[in-house]
Amino acid sequence: GAVVSQHPSRVICKSGTSVKIECRSLDFQATTMFWYRQFPKQSLMLMATSNEGSKATYEQGVEKDKFLINHASLTLSTLTVTSAHPEDSSFYICSARRHRESQPQHFGDGTRLSIL
Amino acid sequence: EDQVTQSPEALRLQEGESSSLNCSYTVSGLRGLFWYRQDPGKGPEFLFTLYSAGEEKEKERLKATLTKKESFLHITAPKPEDSATYLCAVQASSGGSYIPTFGRGTSLIVHP
Repeated sequence: GAVVSQHPSRVICKSGTSVKIECRSLDFQATTMFWYRQFPKQSLMLMATSNEGSKATYEQGVEKDKFLINHASLTLSTLTVTSAHPEDSSFYICSARRHRESQPQHFGDGTRLSIL
Repeated sequence: EDQVTQSPEALRLQEGESSSLNCSYTVSGLRGLFWYRQDPGKGPEFLFTLYSAGEEKEKERLKATLTKKESFLHITAPKPEDSATYLCAVQASSGGSYIPTFGRGTSLIVHP
């Protein structure tokens, strides 16, 4: 159990394109979803946290107009990278957690975003 | 501020050579300590949750233990397929933050 599906797994697109990444919890209801960015050989960098039906809470230094997060249901959150530029190229990973903070996060397999 | 420190940063073992990874933490009230395994190009895979000092969890060659200050991930007779980055995270109960704090991970390579 506790499967999180993230789609697409890889995106290559031109500069200026907007890219949407989906994160779905397949077999449980996720009260909270997290979005991370990971640079090569580095640990996870939290970008934002979202609770179902509420606006996302962004970490300091993350542009909310650049990285749009929607958590419309208990099983789906989306991250849209608007007008992507080469510096946005990275590995983006989502995770989902059941309603209690004592529960672990379950992660998707990540999206490799490459902006040309 | 919650802090999580993992050591060593990198570890190379020969197949069958048992060892331990350390996760030291400083939190005001622990709600849970989590271990994950991350393979290159993949998201972290959940391994264990530990809630209180003295608790132990096992899965195949892995055993996680917890004290009031640290957690160990013991790897017994590792195999090359155990090679991965192991991440530790803590969830505190104080301050109203519901965001887990992650360590930087230990990169484990097991040579055949």
